Amino acid sequence: SQQGEEDPQALSIQEGENATMNCSYKTSINNLQWYRQNSGRGLVHLILIRSNEREKHSGRLRVTLDTSKKSSSLLITASRAADTASYFCATGTNYGGSQGNLIFGKGTKLSVKP
Amino acid sequence: ETGVTQTPRHLVMGMTNKKSLKCEQHLGHNAMYWYKQSAKKPLELMFVYNFKEQTENNSVPSRFSPECPNSSHLFLHLHTLQPEDSALYLCASSQGASDSPLHFGNGTRLTVT
Repeated sequence: SQQGEEDPQALSIQEGENATMNCSYKTSINNLQWYRQNSGRGLVHLILIRSNEREKHSGRLRVTLDTSKKSSSLLITASRAADTASYFCATGTNYGGSQGNLIFGKGTKLSVKP
Repeated sequence: ETGVTQTPRHLVMGMTNKKSLKCEQHLGHNAMYWYKQSAKKPLELMFVYNFKEQTENNSVPSRFSPECPNSSHLFLHLHTLQPEDSALYLCASSQGASDSPLHFGNGTRLTVT
């Protein structure tokens, strides 16, 4: 069954603006990850946040996690045309086990116009 | 170059054909995965191998048969597929821990006619 669900499904912004994508999930997790996928390519890992963390930064990316609301957000600041891609959240639910239980959402399609 | 190489990039096959997808990782990872990505659906985990042993099979039909001869190579053997099996098949690898990031290949775009 689907765990992570991204919102919005599609987002169109101008270059230089910030983009915010949200992810909600249903069960307890031990980590949440965000991935990017350019058209016709594989997914690329962006950032991982653990269940005991509330916020994490990596370059222009900022991820928050609210375990009480079972939600996460990904903020891309000062967006560029090259950020155009689909963004997926994935939740890890297997404590101490393999990565096999990483469950992906349907993704947010971000379009950044120059 | 992602460190995970998938071949072929595109494959068109009839329902009676037998074909294989290949994945190779050069990252020294212990775990390898097959995912299926269909339009408007979440990424679906198909199979997981940890140290060459299959640890997960997500109720995948038997017309998909995985093979992992060593930690660097993963195959997906296909036979008597259905048109609804048309999708992007993605291979990934990781260190195997629950918080290890997945490294994906660029996928094989499969069309079943």
